[in-house]
Amino acid sequence: KNEVEQSPQNLTAQEGEFITINCSYSVGISALHWLQQHPGGGIVSLFMLSSGKKKHGRLIATINIQEKHSSLHITASHPRDSAVYICAVVEGGSQGNLIFGKGTKLSVKP
Amino acid sequence: NAGVMQNPRHLVRRRGQEARLRCSPMKGHSHVYWYRQLPEEGLKFMVYLQKENIIDESGMPKERFSAEFPKEGPSILRIQQVVRGDSAAYFCASSSGLAARGETQYFGPGTRLLVL
Repeated sequence: KNEVEQSPQNLTAQEGEFITINCSYSVGISALHWLQQHPGGGIVSLFMLSSGKKKHGRLIATINIQEKHSSLHITASHPRDSAVYICAVVEGGSQGNLIFGKGTKLSVKP
Repeated sequence: NAGVMQNPRHLVRRRGQEARLRCSPMKGHSHVYWYRQLPEEGLKFMVYLQKENIIDESGMPKERFSAEFPKEGPSILRIQQVVRGDSAAYFCASSSGLAARGETQYFGPGTRLLVL
């Protein structure tokens, strides 16, 4: 069993829809990251969370430490949001290296 | 302030050759992480270095792979005697402090290695 599980694996949405991507993890963590990987392959860090909720533009990330679960929400989705979204955790006591989920491939249709 | 730079962006090698991948961290960053993304798989940690020191190499194969981060110059990931299974995208990320203490890691664009 992977230490970081994401769902769904693939997601197709219509432009304007509200999108939720889920991440569950099985280890104690010091931080959780949401990353975006575009079709060209580059990786951008969207959020780093250790508790609560963060918002940036149309993106919202939440984390529940007790339930070992995080969600990434995209409001008013747009075709340019099409990418792979990756959840990654920093295991508590580690040197900070990331443990990654397999990613959620999002396609937003116009 | 330039971001994390990696070169080459694409590298083609024949089986048995050596591959050298370079990573220049963001200015002021002294922590470098290397990750590998195999085709159709998720990213996996390989090695974590600070200037002149390997801190954690638990994710790096014991043979043929080595990494360094000298006092001057970029971090180098070296793969000797490449095999087809080494074909992957190799990403480095840098941070200004300990990622374990909440510092954000900034990713480079990656090097896509193809072994023929």
